[in-house]
Amino acid sequence: DGGITQSPKYLFRKEGQNVTLSCEQNLNHDAMYWYRQDPGQGLRLIYYSQIVNDFQKGDIAEGYSVSREKKESFPLTVTSAQKNPTAFYLCASSIRPGVSSGNTIYFGEGSWLTVV
Amino acid sequence: KQEVTQIPAALSVPEGENLVLNCSFTDSAIYNLQWFRQDPGKGLTSLLLIQSSQREQTSGRLNASLDKSSGRSTLYIAASQPGDSATYLCAVRRNNQGGKLIFGQGTELSVKP
Repeated sequence: DGGITQSPKYLFRKEGQNVTLSCEQNLNHDAMYWYRQDPGQGLRLIYYSQIVNDFQKGDIAEGYSVSREKKESFPLTVTSAQKNPTAFYLCASSIRPGVSSGNTIYFGEGSWLTVV
Repeated sequence: KQEVTQIPAALSVPEGENLVLNCSFTDSAIYNLQWFRQDPGKGLTSLLLIQSSQREQTSGRLNASLDKSSGRSTLYIAASQPGDSATYLCAVRRNNQGGKLIFGQGTELSVKP
């Protein structure tokens, strides 16, 4: 099936640890995104990538890092510098912006990160 | 700076009612606006996408309208069902920021049987 796969679904992080969330898509999309969702709030953009080997900071990039070595993969690392990492993390993808202004965006099922 | 607001934050209706969810945005220079559904603990599913040149889009019992000049969009759900219970989010794509979306906080809908 075509879609976006996020793993793991649930992850626990100890203080001072870095953790990496995986996001893989087989939709042949150029653009990929990471969003964070806190309870009762909308989504906030962490990082996005419009093409392989290139990515841009979103609105809340501090304490996070990403890489885009392959078109289908966009992993997110939550570093120890992120002081409040407990949240629901959503990965998304779309065709490259500028190709069409009407393209929709597709989301994965999300990953829950909890600090213990 | 673009801001997106959704009112109400929560809504509870009896089954069968027609209902309207509201979304407002501060900057009318948008590429498009998208409505999503989110079930508890799940990702988002796209419902309707309205391009900036369009006034409305329809899919089944759902109808979304867009009024750029007033910075408003509405999602109309006809003959609501318990299966419609979910959180509904709207998001706008900025003109000059590539593919980034700005989301509202969502409206949590509960349809009672």
